[in-house]
Amino acid sequence: GQSLEQPSEVTAVEGAIVQINCTYQTSGFYGLSWYQQHDGGAPTFLSYNALDGLEETGRFSSFLSRSDSYGYLLLQELQMKDSASYFCAVREPGTGGFKTIFGAGTRLFVKA
Amino acid sequence: DADVTQTPRNRITKTGKRIMLECSQTKGHDRMYWYRQDPGLGLRLIYYSFDVKDINKGEISDGYSVSRQAQAKFSLSLESAIPNQTALYFCATSDLKFGLYEQFFGPGTRLTVL
Repeated sequence: GQSLEQPSEVTAVEGAIVQINCTYQTSGFYGLSWYQQHDGGAPTFLSYNALDGLEETGRFSSFLSRSDSYGYLLLQELQMKDSASYFCAVREPGTGGFKTIFGAGTRLFVKA
Repeated sequence: DADVTQTPRNRITKTGKRIMLECSQTKGHDRMYWYRQDPGLGLRLIYYSFDVKDINKGEISDGYSVSRQAQAKFSLSLESAIPNQTALYFCATSDLKFGLYEQFFGPGTRLTVL
């Protein structure tokens, strides 16, 4: 079956670096995405990795290792506004094309 | 600003009632999705549509149906609502211009079934 595993909660201090891991087991794989969701808000796209390696976008970076079925989201210079839930999501084959399967999410608490 | 909108934003209903949740988008995207979100379970795909003539079941389609009335409109129906369908429902879109992997979400509809 398909599954995505990520920690349920992570706590870090303002200004620090935090890494949120995601391991996946799916029937097919085309890429790994990360989304951020603040309480009461909608998920918003952060990054996408189709190939192995690190993708950097400002303070956020995302890494993928397809051979290990593993990826992570790295948040640097943490700010209070980074307190949110973070979801990894796998793009896999679906009827008529691709579909996206989401993990259960990691709730990040940033402390002062 | 181009957007994804959902109506209603909140709805309380009773068991057995038929409910329709509506999604409209002004982004011009071809692909539309319906997800439900439950605490601790993340987002689960209910149905998705790649164009007006294409409807596909997701992970948890039982108890739901959809209609793609136009490129811009994708409705989700609960024919006979039950309490375990209480959840936050999101509509999303994607498009080839954004590589199809980036999804744009609406604000969500909070549905409570009593």
